[in-house]
Amino acid sequence: AAGVIQSPRHLIKEKRETATLKCYPIPRHDTVYWYQQGPGQDPQFLISFYEKMQSDKGSIPDRFSAQQFSDYHSELNMSSLELGDSALYFCASSRGDPSYNEQFFGPGTRLTVL
Amino acid sequence: SQQGEEDPQALSIQEGENATMNCSYKTSINNLQWYRQNSGRGLVHLILIRSNEREKHSGRLRVTLDTSKKSSSLLITASRAADTASYFCATHLLITQGGSEKLVFGKGTKLTVNP
Repeated sequence: AAGVIQSPRHLIKEKRETATLKCYPIPRHDTVYWYQQGPGQDPQFLISFYEKMQSDKGSIPDRFSAQQFSDYHSELNMSSLELGDSALYFCASSRGDPSYNEQFFGPGTRLTVL
Repeated sequence: SQQGEEDPQALSIQEGENATMNCSYKTSINNLQWYRQNSGRGLVHLILIRSNEREKHSGRLRVTLDTSKKSSSLLITASRAADTASYFCATHLLITQGGSEKLVFGKGTKLTVNP
């Protein structure tokens, strides 16, 4: 079965650079979520989209922005990168009522900021 | 404040023993999910238990949910070295309680199963 695809899997950037992370949800899933997991930390919710509209926002810095496109894939844009942005970034997708359906997680993108 | 809190933070057992991890949360939930994560790797969904369910089984996994105590437990029976990983509970909050679609993760329990 198709899973959530994230690219790239690994990314190394310098401070103050920009990074773009991509997420391709499972086919027919209409909701995408982004989570950030720092070293030794639990995943923290960043932002979510339902039917191409932002549906919820968590602890996402103003330097970050995201969108969901017509084909339901999503991109997380990160500017003015800081050392503290180094983390695993997970994308998850779901379909239908999020109260009842699980979120399927992608393998994550490991971002390292030097 | 953190919605889900797991205990213990770390657990070390011998192969064949059972491992029990607990999770407590603060507000009303729609469902509670358990995830497994190998070091630095992706999150693997284990079980979702809804707020109107009390117990669920999946293979060697058994999850209980006590909404009156706002707590859940994950039991892994007959543990194997390959079960070594971090285990997170994640709660999906009720929309009416200010929740949304997001999952709120606990700090996780690091389980080590010694061969």
